[in-house]
Amino acid sequence: KQEVTQIPAALSVPEGENLVLNCSFTDSAIYNLQWFRQDPGKGLTSLLLIQSSQREQTSGRLNASLDKSSGRSTLYIAASQPGDSATYLCAVSGGSYIPTFGRGTSLIVHP
Amino acid sequence: EAQVTQNPRYLITVTGKKLTVTCSQNMNHEYMSWYRQDPGLGLRQIYYSMNVEVTDKGDVPEGYKVSRKEKRNFPLILESPSPNQTSLYFCASSSTRVGAGELFFGEGSRLTVL
Repeated sequence: KQEVTQIPAALSVPEGENLVLNCSFTDSAIYNLQWFRQDPGKGLTSLLLIQSSQREQTSGRLNASLDKSSGRSTLYIAASQPGDSATYLCAVSGGSYIPTFGRGTSLIVHP
Repeated sequence: EAQVTQNPRYLITVTGKKLTVTCSQNMNHEYMSWYRQDPGLGLRQIYYSMNVEVTDKGDVPEGYKVSRKEKRNFPLILESPSPNQTSLYFCASSSTRVGAGELFFGEGSRLTVL
C-alpha cells in the first residue's frame, strides 16, 4: 500500500526566504503527483500536477520536481510571502488511480 | 467555470437524523470521491466511484452510504449520524483519461452532530 510522508510537518520562516517542502512515497509506480494548498477550514486548491513522465512543473514562484526512482517530490517556493502561509499537501496516484495523501506541511511566513 | 459544488456548506444536526450532503461536478469526470478531514488525522477517504453505478469503500466507510446514479452527482448519505461523524467533509473529482488526472475539490461541508 502506498504511503506518503511530508517533511517537515511545520515550518515558520521570515518573509523573503526560498523554501523547499518535501514529499516522499513508497511505491514508485505512480500515475501522477499533485501539490495542493489548503487555508484553515477551507478547501484544497490545486497548485501543480506532475504526470509520471514529467520531471518538473512550474507556476509563478512555485516549482515542483518529481524523482520517481527515489520516491521523492519537492515543492520549491521562491521569495516567500505572508500570503503563502497555509498547509501544503501532496497526493500520489498509483496504478489503482486512487490518490494517497500526505499529512501536509503547515507553513507560516511572518513579515 | 470548472467546479465541484457541495451542499450544504455548514450543517448542525442531531444524532440519528438522516442527512445527505450533495456533490456535483460540471467537468464530466469519471472519478469522484468523498473525504473527511479531522485535526491530527489528515484526509481520510470514505468512498469513491470510478464511474456511474461503480462505487467502492475507502478507508473509513462505516456509517456512510453513497450512490452514483448520474455521472455528475455523488451524494454522501449519513443514515443515522453520530457525534463521531462531526467533521469537515470534502468531495473531489478528476478525469481518468491518460495525461489528465488533476483532482478538483469542493469547498467543504462542515458537519456538526449533537
